[in-house]
Amino acid sequence: EAGVTQSPTHLIKTRGQQATLRCSPISGHTSVYWYQQALGLGLQFLLWYDEGEERNRGNFPPRFSGRQFPNYSSELNVHALELEDSALYLCASSPESVYGYTFGSGTRLTVV
Amino acid sequence: AQSVSQHNHHVILSEAASLELGCNYSYGGTVNLFWYVQYPGQHLQLLLKYFSGDPLVKGIKGFEAEFIKSKFSFNLRKPSVQWSDTAEYFCAVRGNNRLAFGKGNQVVVIP
Repeated sequence: EAGVTQSPTHLIKTRGQQATLRCSPISGHTSVYWYQQALGLGLQFLLWYDEGEERNRGNFPPRFSGRQFPNYSSELNVHALELEDSALYLCASSPESVYGYTFGSGTRLTVV
Repeated sequence: AQSVSQHNHHVILSEAASLELGCNYSYGGTVNLFWYVQYPGQHLQLLLKYFSGDPLVKGIKGFEAEFIKSKFSFNLRKPSVQWSDTAEYFCAVRGNNRLAFGKGNQVVVIP
């Protein structure tokens, strides 16, 4: 069984640009979660999508947005990038929200 | 919203020593509890989880955790660590449809 896959592995952007990160969940998993792992801050919850709808959102500004497609894959968009957005962005999936999550390897976003 | 506290962010110990990592959470409702591990250069992996039943949970690689509801704690233990247990360990609490993580414990096991 393929795990959660994320692309790209690394992404370098300049301040003010937009970044698009992608996630494919495990087959059969309908929920996708996005987390930001910044140095020294642990994992911060960003967004939760289930059945194509945004279900919950963490304490991040509106320039962090995303969507979930009919095949349950998901996209995270970060607009107007700032230097402090540099972090590892992790995607996780689960069959339903009550179960534990399976994480992908992440996208390392660097804003210069 | 729930919050998770992990103490002693950096832990250094020798092989065969016992390990205990503390995790305390704040949330008034029903919770599901998890410990995840992130080995160097690898992605987060689930060590163990607690949903209900026996509060002493056994996970992979000899780890166990005990849920003490009155103390809002879910401490992770391993009686005898190995060099390969060098990793970062995260406690997580799911409540209100959100999985919140602690800031992690960086554990280094010296051979």
